[in-house]
Amino acid sequence: IAGITQAPTSQILAAGRRMTLRCTQDMRHNAMYWYRQDLGLGLRLIHYSNTAGTTGKGEVPDGYSVSRANTDDFPLTLASAVPSQTSVYFCASKPSGTTDTQYFGPGTRLTVL
Amino acid sequence: AQSVTQLDSHVSVSEGTPVLLRCNYSSSYSPSLFWYVQHPNKGLQLLLKYTSAATLVKGINGFEAEFKKSETSFHLTKPSAHMSDAAEYFCVVSGAWELTGGGNKLTFGTGTQLKVEL
Repeated sequence: IAGITQAPTSQILAAGRRMTLRCTQDMRHNAMYWYRQDLGLGLRLIHYSNTAGTTGKGEVPDGYSVSRANTDDFPLTLASAVPSQTSVYFCASKPSGTTDTQYFGPGTRLTVL
Repeated sequence: AQSVTQLDSHVSVSEGTPVLLRCNYSSSYSPSLFWYVQHPNKGLQLLLKYTSAATLVKGINGFEAEFKKSETSFHLTKPSAHMSDAAEYFCVVSGAWELTGGGNKLTFGTGTQLKVEL
């Protein structure tokens, strides 16, 4: 049972470069989420998807885009990275129904120089 | 709007002594409340969840939390700390911020780093 996998584990990126963070889940969860974790700020929601084919903006969506072509994959793209996007990024998923419980991947540590 | 305040950014205890991590919340609705744990360089793991069934919630690894509506608190406790409990703990509230298309947004506290000393 893999749960949620994220790739890469870590990345150092030059400012201005394009980067896609990958997230895959094998639990057939309908909803998926991207968060960034910054020291002293906890986790903040970037984008979410309630089901394949739909996406929505969270608290801090600027500079990021997502797509949800199928149930399993939810990639996060930084079109032109900036140093303020240096963070740890977590992908999460949630089964359908009334539960609010989200399950998290191991994270991607991104440094933008 | 909903919010979460974790009252201590760092807590240090000796192994074998009790743990108390404090959390206060604000929500316009009857909230769901969670505690997640994050070990170094790992993802977040669900410790326990409150959803209005019972005010005292038992979680994994001997942790429990008590929901007190009058105090808007959801403090996390453990009778006896173990070295393996050293991690960062997040209090999370859900229930008052609906996402477009359905589902509730989770609002995270800023985290409490627990240190366990010999």
